[in-house]
Amino acid sequence: EDQVTQSPEALRLQEGESSSLNCSYTVSGLRGLFWYRQDPGKGPEFLFTLYSAGEEKEKERLKATLTKKESFLHITAPKPEDSATYLCAVRPYSSASKIIFGSGTRLSIRP
Amino acid sequence: DTEVTQTPKHLVMGMTNKKSLKCEQHMGHRAMYWYKQKAKKPPELMFVYSYEKLSINESVPSRFSPECPNSSLLNLHLHALQPEDSALYLCASSQDLAGLTGELFFGEGSRLTVL
Repeated sequence: EDQVTQSPEALRLQEGESSSLNCSYTVSGLRGLFWYRQDPGKGPEFLFTLYSAGEEKEKERLKATLTKKESFLHITAPKPEDSATYLCAVRPYSSASKIIFGSGTRLSIRP
Repeated sequence: DTEVTQTPKHLVMGMTNKKSLKCEQHMGHRAMYWYKQKAKKPPELMFVYSYEKLSINESVPSRFSPECPNSSLLNLHLHALQPEDSALYLCASSQDLAGLTGELFFGEGSRLTVL
């Protein structure tokens, strides 16, 4: 069964303290892995798509990487405005019309 | 312009009311989605339209009725809802279902409260 697991569930960091969020996945063929940012009461905002192991994408303080079993979202020197829930999702080849979401990591950055 | 617009942003309705949520995109996307999201949970897929035809219905109760009048518009008609249907309803679109790029673009959501 296709599955996505994110850890940790919640993460509190001091401003400037770098860390990583994990997304482990089990799918029967990966069409794409996506990272989203979601602020409270808002829709998810698309960040990155990764397609194959070894791929990396960067945007400001965020960098996403992909292996055959997991993806990491690295956040470097975070600022309070980076506080949000970060969702990982996969689109498997077995079901092109469905995207499977993980339960998210709630990230809080203290000034 | 990567934008999906949803109206209304907030909706309060009684269990006997009939209301509709609306969604519009002008990115030329041919797949559109309705998701339901409860607090601190990931989005749950409800319906998928592909080229204006219903492609997936995730066993959603008939009190939710989707409609896709054209390739840019998606509606969700609501009737006889229950308090447990209160949630954030998200509309999303993607290029299509078969293309290499599969990322979804979401609207801001409609916050629904059923009294």
